[in-house]
Formats: sequence, structure tokens, C-alpha cells
Amino acid sequence: RKEVEQDPGPFNVPEGATVAFNCTYSNSASQSFFWYRQDCRKEPKLLMSVYSSGNEDGRFTAQLNRASQYISLLIRDSKLSDSATYLCVVNRDGGATNKLIFGTGTLLAVQP
Amino acid sequence: EAQVTQNPRYLITVTGKKLTVTCSQNMNHEYMSWYRQDPGLGLRQIYYSMNVEVTDKGDVPEGYKVSRKEKRNFPLILESPSPNQTSLYFCASSLSRTSSSLYGYTFGSGTRLTVV
Repeated sequence: RKEVEQDPGPFNVPEGATVAFNCTYSNSASQSFFWYRQDCRKEPKLLMSVYSSGNEDGRFTAQLNRASQYISLLIRDSKLSDSATYLCVVNRDGGATNKLIFGTGTLLAVQP
Repeated sequence: EAQVTQNPRYLITVTGKKLTVTCSQNMNHEYMSWYRQDPGLGLRQIYYSMNVEVTDKGDVPEGYKVSRKEKRNFPLILESPSPNQTSLYFCASSLSRTSSSLYGYTFGSGTRLTVV
């Protein structure tokens, strides 16, 4: 089983739609969670951290469910420019090791 | 501008010909790391460095070497490249290993390597 699992997609949605991605992780000791965005052939860029209480940044909302070991990303009012691959990132052990493990990504294609 | 700079962006080489991919950051970051990205496998860590002269293996270190003689530079060396090292490579850095768990990494623009 992969440490971090994501639905690879693609998710094809029309402009203005709301779309949600989930990601599951296997290490219950993980403490830190992130969503990164990666455009085709470009480097990953931090989209947002995911906090225990959930957090929002404009049209983006991230949530964490520790009991079920998954995190989610909700994008409202999708724009064409949101088309990208979204990477779920989890730290491996917590504590001193703090190694970040990347999911394989979910591809989002927003259609006009 | 705060950034991580990798060179070259694209490289085609032949099996067995030694090559070096350079990585430099201007943010005074202690922690630096190399990843490779392959379809269906995601980003996998090759090597990392917690500070000058401190390096350690990641998940897929075979066939690679690194050095950290200065804080800003972290070159990736392929002594004898093979076709299975054809991949997209990213250098990443963070202020410290601890801060990476709070703020994530800053990535370089990537190096697309093809070994024929």
C-alpha cells in the first residue's frame, strides 16, 4: 500500500463547478499535511497547508480527518487557470524525521 | 528574488557518461533535497542534506551521489548514468528539516534528463 494515495483522475469539470479531491495516508503519526499544485512539466508549488481545524484560502478549502486518515481539497467556482495536478503531501513520521511524502497527484482539467 | 536554481533544464546523455546537475538556493536554507518524478510513482527522494557536509540517503539513492560543501549548493552526480535514470529531477530546499514540516519545500524548476 502506498503511504499517500490519491485518485489520479483526470477530473474534467466545467468552469464554475465545485470539485473535491481526497487523499488518504497510512502513517497515523503524520503531523503535517499540504496540498501542492503542479503545472505540466513545472515544479510543484505549495498551495496550502492543511490544519486540524480545516482552513480556507479564497476558493480553496482544505480539511483533515485524522480518525479516517484522509485530507481533502475543495475548489469552488473553478477557473480555467485551476487546471493542474494537485499533489497531496504528508510528513512521514512526525517528530524528528519530518520527511515529506508526496502522492502521485490528481489531474484537474477545467473546461470552458 | 528568493529561489532555487537548477541547471541544466534539459539534458540528453549517453549511458555511462558522468554528469552533474547543479542546484543552488539563495535563501540561506539549511535543508536541501533531491527528488525524481516518474509517471505513476510521484516524487521520490534521492538524497537530502541537513546542513553543510551532512548528507544522507533518501528512498532511491542507488546510482546517485551528492555533496554539500557550501550551504547554498547541492549538486547531484550521476557517475555512470543508465536509461532507468531517465526522469524529471527536482531540487528542493527549506529553512530546516523541522521547518519543512510547517512550511513545505521550495522547488527548483526541474531538470529533464534522458539517458540513451
